[in-house]
Amino acid sequence: DVKVTQSSRYLVKRTGEKVFLECVQDMDHENMFWYRQDPGLGLRLIYFSYDVKMKEKGDIPEGYSVSREKKERFSLILESASTNQTSMYLCASSVRWGAKNIQYFGAGTRLSVL
Amino acid sequence: AQKITQTQPGMFVQEKEAVTLDCTYDTSDQSYGLFWYKQPSSGEMIFLIYQGSYDEQNATEGRYSLNFQKARKSANLVISASQLGDSAMYFCAMREGLGGLGYQKVTFGTGTKLQVIP
Repeated sequence: DVKVTQSSRYLVKRTGEKVFLECVQDMDHENMFWYRQDPGLGLRLIYFSYDVKMKEKGDIPEGYSVSREKKERFSLILESASTNQTSMYLCASSVRWGAKNIQYFGAGTRLSVL
Repeated sequence: AQKITQTQPGMFVQEKEAVTLDCTYDTSDQSYGLFWYKQPSSGEMIFLIYQGSYDEQNATEGRYSLNFQKARKSANLVISASQLGDSAMYFCAMREGLGGLGYQKVTFGTGTKLQVIP
């Protein structure tokens, strides 16, 4: 089975803190994604990576950065957390090519910024 | 314009009955893929079913089927014989185009919360 693991289920941070969200996948997938989920807005793509050290901005990259030093690991970084970044964060991975190309998700991290 | 529209924020269905969750999409590409995901209260997004734009038959996976009407740009999810465990958020999603980095991205709708009543 595909496994995408996010390091924390719940996280509480203070405004201005640097926050790291970690994601690891065990299926040797080329692509990895970070989404943000808010009620009524669905899932919005923050960043994705199609290879080690490669990244592409998604729809809402402002206030976030990412790091992919190893194929299996994709980190989302909030350089200076703000209250409007309180949200559910979902990581996903997929193979790069293929018509079906399903994205497999982790269980999510609920981040609260106080 | 929204690429994926789910007009039903919430729905109720009686256990053992069938339910249809609506999804319409907007794309000018000829090649695209449509997905449905389920998100229980635990938070994990679970892939349910996929339909390619060139697939002639409607996709089916167990109790899930996708009612694909290309001309109307709709991709409704049908769940037959609902079970209490089907209570969850359901998201419709689309991938557009062939090849390239843009092809790797998927656009999600806002979701429909389904509650199954005993």
